Parts: sequence; C-alpha cells; structure tokens
Amino acid sequence: EVQLVESGGGLVQPGGSLRLSCAASGFTFNSYWMSWVRQAPGKGLEWVANIKQDGSEKYYVDSVKGRFTVSRDNAKNSLYLQMNSLRAEDTAVYYCASDEAFDIWGQGTMVTVSS
Amino acid sequence: DIVMTQTPLSLSVTPGQPASISCKSTQSLLHSAGKTYLYWYLQKPGQPPQLLIYEVSNRFSGVPERFSGSGSGTDFTLKISRVEAEDVGVYYCMQSIQLPRTFGQGTKVEIK
Repeated sequence: EVQLVESGGGLVQPGGSLRLSCAASGFTFNSYWMSWVRQAPGKGLEWVANIKQDGSEKYYVDSVKGRFTVSRDNAKNSLYLQMNSLRAEDTAVYYCASDEAFDIWGQGTMVTVSS
Repeated sequence: DIVMTQTPLSLSVTPGQPASISCKSTQSLLHSAGKTYLYWYLQKPGQPPQLLIYEVSNRFSGVPERFSGSGSGTDFTLKISRVEAEDVGVYYCMQSIQLPRTFGQGTKVEIK
C-alpha cells in the first residue's frame, strides 16, 4: 500500500522549534520530488517547501525562508521539515506529499504555535 | 507567483444534477514541452486532499467517470456530470509549472 505517515507535530511556544517527519512506504521514494503543504485551521492549502530526489535542490515559500529546512533520507524512506523561529501564523496541519502531481498525501500532523 | 482564482467559492447542488468549477491562472500553465501543469483535488471533511484530475483532463486512478476536466492556457474547468452525496467537500485547483506551487482558494460543494 502506498503510504505517507507524518509525525512530530505538537504545541510549541512562539520562537520555538519542531521537527516533522514523514515516512514513506509502498512506492519508490527516491524517484520523487517531495513537498510539504500546510493548511491553517479553516483555511486553504499552502505549499511550503519541496526537495529533489537526491536532496540537491530545495525550494521554499517566502514566508518560511530562513526558518524552515526540508531534508530527506532516502535510505530510511523519510522526509523531514525542521521548523525554527516558529510564529503563530505557522499554526496548521502539515502534510507531506509527492511533488508535481501531488498524487500521494499523508494524513497530516498538527502544529500549534501558542504561548 | 502564479495566482489561481476559483469560482464559485461555494456551490449547493441537488443530487443527480451537474456542477462546474472554474479555475483561472495569472500565467499560462502550458510548458514548452507540451504538458499543462494543472491539477484538481478534492478534500473531503477531515481528510487530506486527494488527486482527481492531472494535467487538465486526465482522471486519476479510481476517480469516477462523472468527474472531468477541461481547459487550456490559463482557463480551466472541473465538471461533475451528476453530483452524488460522496462528492461533498472542498475542491482545489493547483499549478505545478512554477515555484512556488500555488492552489486556488477552494470551492466548497455541498448537497441540497
């Protein structure tokens, strides 16, 4: 079964850090660009970042540049999102997804930034 | 950034009736290699989005035939020929020809 499973979400204070993980199974993970997409409560979808198959290229939405870092470990079939200097506006469900077509999505992990 | 604009933002449909959602982009989504990078997703309540249509008009695996996509360049449409109760949720269009990837605002479809 093709699957993405996110973990690592939780409650964090403004200015804090969190590392999200996404475990892939059932497909050839190292053949895909991968993305993170977030959805604030009651809002639409916002693409956050993506990473090339070999990790050599990474791109970010402007609002997270310099604060978030996307990485992957193909040996572990895993994708990561290191989030630093978190702000209230980063509160959202974070999904990992296969890039370009976004045909594979995880169930999401909730990140709440609040004091 | 490419802005994706969907209309309408909400739709109330009687079961068995058709529905149509428009999506317009501020730049052409046609790549020089001939592919058009426009996708449609449905997010059912409490679930992640699921791919319905890829590259304008191709139904993804398992997607019912009542869903169809059309359009070109900057102007696209998703049609549901006969809406069923299971089609409720929020529909999004998305472009992936350019970074950042951008989504439409979403169209909420409910059943009358």
